[in-house]
Amino acid sequence: AQSVTQPDIHITVSEGASLELRCNYSYGATPYLFWYVQSPGQGLQLLLKYFSGDTLVQGIKGFEAEFKRSQSSFNLRKPSVHWSDAAEYFCAVAIPSGTASKLTFGTGTRLQVTL
Amino acid sequence: GAVVSQHPSWVICKSGTSVKIECRSLDFQATTMFWYRQFPKQSLMLMATSNEGSKATYEQGVEKDKFLINHASLTLSTLTVTSAHPEDSSFYICSARPREGGRNEQFFGPGTRLTVL
Repeated sequence: AQSVTQPDIHITVSEGASLELRCNYSYGATPYLFWYVQSPGQGLQLLLKYFSGDTLVQGIKGFEAEFKRSQSSFNLRKPSVHWSDAAEYFCAVAIPSGTASKLTFGTGTRLQVTL
Repeated sequence: GAVVSQHPSWVICKSGTSVKIECRSLDFQATTMFWYRQFPKQSLMLMATSNEGSKATYEQGVEKDKFLINHASLTLSTLTVTSAHPEDSSFYICSARPREGGRNEQFFGPGTRLTVL
């Protein structure tokens, strides 16, 4: 079964600084990869996804992620963080399938932004 | 587009009562809906997968008689927590996969916070 690891439970960055959130997955082939953001008490919003093709994926709100097959990683980056980016970020994987595949989530990384 | 709603957003109930949570896809038809449970400061755990017109598939360790799922139409799935107890207090989130469109994309509802007294 696939699994997802987000090594950083909590990250604090200053507003305007760059950000990188780490995500590693375990699966025999390349899964579908996702990053979601969750604000307190809210549902999840999709930031970006990778299915195939270009390994650098652009998402909403200025986020991007790079798929590195050799490292089984899908790290999320943003060049300049805004205070409104403070939230919980989840990496997730799904096994490629013609039917609706289940998402497996990482444990999440809580981002705090200092002014 | 691709909006999923949940109702209620917050519910408090007494121990022993049953609570129904609705998940609706507002602008698309969803062949598959998923129900997740999230404990404070933890990740989402998939509880069950429901397909329109068929029985839900529950994840290991989830009591199907306690968490009743009905997916009666292409736009509505319901989760009923039967005989709720304080340990059932949690944040319940649904997601829906459109019948048409992207591979393995799920759109999430805003969640329902259940507090059992």
